[in-house]
Amino acid sequence: DQQVKQNSPSLSVQEGRISILNCDYTNSMFDYFLWYKKYPAEGPTFLISISSIKDKNEDGRFTVFLNKSAKHLSLHIVPSQPGDSAVYFCAASDGTGRRALTFGSGTRLQVQP
Amino acid sequence: GAVVSQHPSRVICKSGTSVKIECRSLDFQATTMFWYRQFPKQSLMLMATSNEGSKATYEQGVEKDKFLINHASLTLSTLTVTSAHPEDSSFYICSARAPGHANEKLFFGSGTQLSVL
Repeated sequence: DQQVKQNSPSLSVQEGRISILNCDYTNSMFDYFLWYKKYPAEGPTFLISISSIKDKNEDGRFTVFLNKSAKHLSLHIVPSQPGDSAVYFCAASDGTGRRALTFGSGTRLQVQP
Repeated sequence: GAVVSQHPSRVICKSGTSVKIECRSLDFQATTMFWYRQFPKQSLMLMATSNEGSKATYEQGVEKDKFLINHASLTLSTLTVTSAHPEDSSFYICSARAPGHANEKLFFGSGTQLSVL
C-alpha cells in the first residue's frame, strides 16, 4: 500500500517554462512534507519542505503548495533550467516520533534547452 | 547543510560473500540513522532505523539477520549485507537528522550501489 504517490513517472518541460510536479498521500497522520532532488547513483538532496499548518512555502524558484483536504501537494519550479533535470521525490513524515520519511516513487524531470 | 558520508560508493561481490557499508556523519553527531534501499526506477524504501548504543529497528519484511546494523558511535553506522545474493543487488542509502534542522529533514549519504554476481 503506497502511502505517498507520484503518478507521473516523467515530465518534460522547455527551459524557462514552469515545471509542476505532483504528489498525493493517503495517510492523514502525515504532518510534514519534503521534496528531494536526486541524480543517478547519488543520494537525495533536500530541496524544500512544508509543514501541514501551511499551504504554501517558497524558496527562490521553488514553491511547494499543500492542499490538506485533497491530500495533495505540488512543487512548482519557475523558471525551469536544464540543471533542474533530475528525479524529484516527494516525502512525508508521520509525526509518530520515529520521524522516518516515506517516499513517493519519483518523477523524472527533463528540462529541454 | 550537514554532511553524511557513505562508503563505498560501489561494490561488486560474489554470491555468498558479506559486504559492509559505512555511513558517517562528518560534522554532527547522529543518535539515529536511517537505512534505505532503492531498486531501479522505484522509490526509496526504509529498511531500518539505526540507534546509537542499542539495537536497530527493522521494517516489516527486512531480515535482521541478513542486514546487520551496528551504530557503535554517534558518527558511524554500518550496514552489513551477509551472504549476499543477486536479489540483494540494489542501491543502499543512509541518512541522518542533524541538530539545528527540522526533525523531519534528513540528510543523505551518496549511496552505495551493490551488485552481487
